[in-house]
Amino acid sequence: DGGITQSPKYLFRKEGQNVTLSCEQNLNHDAMYWYRQDPGQGLRLIYYSQIVNDFQKGDIAEGYSVSREKKESFPLTVTSAQKNPTAFYLCASSIPAAASGNTIYFGEGSWLTVV
Amino acid sequence: RKEVEQDPGPFNVPEGATVAFNCTYSNSASQSFFWYRQDCRKEPKLLMSVYSSGNEDGRFTAQLNRASQYISLLIRDSKLSDSATYLCVVSSGGSYIPTFGRGTSLIVHP
Repeated sequence: DGGITQSPKYLFRKEGQNVTLSCEQNLNHDAMYWYRQDPGQGLRLIYYSQIVNDFQKGDIAEGYSVSREKKESFPLTVTSAQKNPTAFYLCASSIPAAASGNTIYFGEGSWLTVV
Repeated sequence: RKEVEQDPGPFNVPEGATVAFNCTYSNSASQSFFWYRQDCRKEPKLLMSVYSSGNEDGRFTAQLNRASQYISLLIRDSKLSDSATYLCVVSSGGSYIPTFGRGTSLIVHP
């Protein structure tokens, strides 16, 4: 089945640790995104990539890093510099074109908790 | 002013009621509009795209008002299963980066 796979679904991080969230898609989409959602809040854009080997900061990129070495993969690293990382992380992908209207599809999300 | 604004609610309605949500956007160059549904602790899922001519999918109707820069979602004959958060999404031309509203919470009760 085509879709977006995020792993792990639940992750606990100790203070000072870096953690990496995986995101893989087999939809052949060019664009991929990472969003963060806090309880009762909307989605905030962390990073996005519209093509392999290129990515851009979103609204809240500080304390995060990404890579886009393959079209299918867009991992997110939450670094120790991110002071409040406990949140629900959503990976998404789309075909950013007028024809498609840029419909965006999401993975099931990863819950990160700092302990 | 936020780019995409929604009334967070909650909208608390009885089964069978008709309920409508609005979403305003600030960028007049916006070109693509969507409504997503998000259940508690789940990922958002596409409910429907919003076209200039308006569109309907069963009990759901979406409208776009470019002059006043808002989109709307109308739900008729509400079901208990419609209880969720409804997210408004707007994309602008060029980069097509989608911007999400905060969402409107709907609670349908017996």
